[in-house]
Parts: sequence; structure tokens; C-alpha cells
Amino acid sequence: DAKTTQPPSMDCAEGRAANLPCNHSTISGNEYVYWYRQIHSQGPQYIIHGLKNNETNEMASLIITEDRKSSTLILPHATLRDTAVYYCIVRGNQAGTALIFGKGTTLSVSS
Amino acid sequence: GAVVSQHPSWVICKSGTSVKIECRSLDFQATTMFWYRQFPKQSLMLMATSNEGSKATYEQGVEKDKFLINHASLTLSTLTVTSAHPEDSSFYICSARDLGRTNTGELFFGEGSRLTVL
Repeated sequence: DAKTTQPPSMDCAEGRAANLPCNHSTISGNEYVYWYRQIHSQGPQYIIHGLKNNETNEMASLIITEDRKSSTLILPHATLRDTAVYYCIVRGNQAGTALIFGKGTTLSVSS
Repeated sequence: GAVVSQHPSWVICKSGTSVKIECRSLDFQATTMFWYRQFPKQSLMLMATSNEGSKATYEQGVEKDKFLINHASLTLSTLTVTSAHPEDSSFYICSARDLGRTNTGELFFGEGSRLTVL
């Protein structure tokens, strides 16, 4: 699986958009970009994933560059409850393949 | 979304005893489940892949005789930490994929089970 690079930490003011970057320059053509987050002492929560096109759901938007070497997760209106560690993971969609977690980005949302 | 449930959510045991953690997929069937552990201030580390009806596949450095995995049905996988010691104290998390709902690979995670060995 391709490796990803994320900043170790970011701060965001409540109500503002949080833009979390991820570099995955060695991604291959059949690999998806997945985003998960982990709130303290809980299991990871699925946020969104994409292959080529930008994606949006009720939680976030995912912007993938045209060359697919990087992506940005956007939380449009961050709240205090969005404080968590955010993981960007790249892998294929084979049924028996686990997610391999890096160190992620610790997002701190403050009032 | 798909629900994965773990039990117990936390457990304290004495050194030398064995502890069983259950992982259930509540509204879907999972032929494959994954077990992770997480030490404080660290990321999740994959321990093993649990396959229904067959032996689990363990990651390098994970002792299969220490961490027994049984996946006897399509909705239940169990992790037994045998002869637990304080260094086994950790947050254990399982995950599974709902193949009936999606073909794009997202996994769903349980709430985690915190083990403390005294």
C-alpha cells in the first residue's frame, strides 16, 4: 500500500473550515484514498473515501488532485466534537485487505 | 452505517489469567475481521486477520499462541489474550467490512476494548 504523509497537528477555530492535507505521491491507479478519525478512547470512525473524483457526504468533503498525489479533507464548519486524530490511508479495495494506519493528524478545534 | 460491536469495553485482570474479547458484526455478515491494538499516544497496529472457518493470519511479531483468534461464525470473532501480563495492557480494536453494502473497501470499527493487566 502507498504511504501517506500528514502534518502531525493542526488547530482550527470552531465554526471555521478545517482543511487537512495528505500527500500520497506513490499511489497506484487502483488505490483509494480513505479518511478515518479517532476520538479519544474510541474506535476509528469512517469519514469518506474516493478514487479520482471529489466526494462529499454529510460529514466532510474530499478533494483529490488531478494527479492523485495528494488530497484534502474538508470539515466545512468544525465543532469542538471534531477534535480527533484524522488518518489518511491509501489502499486497494480487495476484500481481505486491512487498513494500515500511520500517525495521522491531531486536529484541535477550539472556541 | 454498518455496526461493529465489541465486548467487554473494558476489563481488568490479574497477571497470568486469560481474557476473551468478542467482536460482532450486528447487521451484516463478515467473512473477514481485523484485530488491532493501540498503545497510549500511538497509532493502531494491525495484529491479525481473522477469517471465518479458517486460521487467522498474524502480522510479523505477533505471537499466535499468545493471542488466540477464533472466527467461528460470520458475525463473531473472538480474541483471547492468554496468560496476560502487564505489557499486554492496551486498547484492542476490531474491524470488519460489509461486503453486502459496498464494494469500495471501507471498514467499520468496534468501540474498542481496553485491557488492563495488574
